[in-house]
Amino acid sequence: GAGVSQSPSNKVTEKGKDVELRCDPISGHTALYWYRQSLGQGLEFLIYFQGNSAPDKSGLPSDRFSAERTGGSVSTLTIQRTQQEDSAVYLCASSLLTGSGNTIYFGEGSWLTVV
Amino acid sequence: KQEVTQIPAALSVPEGENLVLNCSFTDSAIYNLQWFRQDPGKGLTSLLLIQSSQREQTSGRLNASLDKSSGRSTLYIAASQPGDSATYLCAVRQSGRQAGTALIFGKGTTLSVSS
Repeated sequence: GAGVSQSPSNKVTEKGKDVELRCDPISGHTALYWYRQSLGQGLEFLIYFQGNSAPDKSGLPSDRFSAERTGGSVSTLTIQRTQQEDSAVYLCASSLLTGSGNTIYFGEGSWLTVV
Repeated sequence: KQEVTQIPAALSVPEGENLVLNCSFTDSAIYNLQWFRQDPGKGLTSLLLIQSSQREQTSGRLNASLDKSSGRSTLYIAASQPGDSATYLCAVRQSGRQAGTALIFGKGTTLSVSS
């Protein structure tokens, strides 16, 4: 596609429910990243994919968070048993490669509110 | 651990002023540094990317400089306009990491340009 596409753009869910957030990266981009941005905070790295594998998942805050990527394209971030502190904007980004010269492009984010 | 700091946190200027946003980082072992713009409720838009071997990059009214040895970067905006009002984020991509190549972000400078 023309840009990184994320869905849903907004999600309100009840505490304890599971949510799935989807990211469709720019076509041909092998690297895919998930970040979280909480109100008044900076961007927090969650996980990075190179193709379908995730060599760095060091940023996932707990075992309630998981992510997968299939076909080297679409990625899904799943949050189980959501808590109020999970409320944030979840941003997905992609880049052509992980080399030093590659610009990272971000989607518009999925705004999650846990009530 | 790499830390990225942006000063000031907020800045208000009248239209037409030239201004400088500052970014500092604690570990000089970086691949590149990238400046982003984030409008309210939106994702991030890449403005400029400076490789570790470069000193500056220019795009239109924007000029970004990098002094890797001192751990500093500046974003210079010439002849500011109300449309420049946004949050500006600085991010470094670290070198020497086995797998993770995530960007480390500062918390941003929120710029307001009044007409």
